[in-house]
Amino acid sequence: AQSVSQHNHHVILSEAASLELGCNYSYGGTVNLFWYVQYPGQHLQLLLKYFSGDPLVKGIKGFEAEFIKSKFSFNLRKPSVQWSDTAEYFCAVNARSGAGSYQLTFGKGTKLSVIP
Amino acid sequence: DAGVTQSPTHLIKTRGQQVTLRCSPKSGHDTVSWYQQALGQGPQFIFQYYEEEERQRGNFPDRFSGHQFPNYSSELNVNALLLGDSALYLCASSLLLGTGINEQFFGPGTRLTVL
Repeated sequence: AQSVSQHNHHVILSEAASLELGCNYSYGGTVNLFWYVQYPGQHLQLLLKYFSGDPLVKGIKGFEAEFIKSKFSFNLRKPSVQWSDTAEYFCAVNARSGAGSYQLTFGKGTKLSVIP
Repeated sequence: DAGVTQSPTHLIKTRGQQVTLRCSPKSGHDTVSWYQQALGQGPQFIFQYYEEEERQRGNFPDRFSGHQFPNYSSELNVNALLLGDSALYLCASSLLLGTGINEQFFGPGTRLTVL
C-alpha cells in the first residue's frame, strides 16, 4: 500500500525566508507525485506535479520540487516566501499502474504560517 | 470552463440519519473520486467512479456508497451517520489517460457536521 509522510506539522517563517517542506512516500513502483495547496477558506489547488523526466519540477507562484527516487522523496521548495503563501500544503502520490493507481494518497499536511 | 462543483456547501445532520452529497466534474472529465478530510488531516480516498461503476474503493465501510450518472456527475451517500463522519467531503474529477497519469482536480467540498 502507498503511504506519504510529511515531516513538519506546522512551519512558521518570516517573509523572504526560504522554505523547504519534506515529503517521503513508500511505494516500490513508478509513481506520479503532486503537491497541493489549500489556502484558508479555499479548495485544494494543484501546485505542481511530477510524472516523468526532469526530476526538478517548477510549479505556480515560484514553487519547485525535486524528485529523488533513491530517497523516495519529493520535497517542496521556495527561495523567498510571502505572506500570501500562508496555507496548508499536502503532498500526494499515486501509482502509475496496478493497485492504487486510481487513488491519490495524501500526507497529513504541513501548515505554513508566514509572518509579515 | 467550470471546474468541479459540489453541493451543498454545508450540511448538519444527526446521528443515524442518511445524507447525499453531489458532485459535477470538470468539463471533459469522466472520472469522479471522493475523499474525506477530517479536521487536521489530509484527504482520505473513499472510492472512484468511472463509466457508472465503482472502480476502486478505499478503507471505508459499506455505509458509504456512491453513484455515477450518464452525464458523469456523482453522488456520495452515507447511511447511519456517526459523529466520526463529521468532515469535509471532497470530490475530484479526472481523465485517466492510457499513460497511467491521473491528475485530479478538486471541488470546494461539502462540510458535513453530525450532531
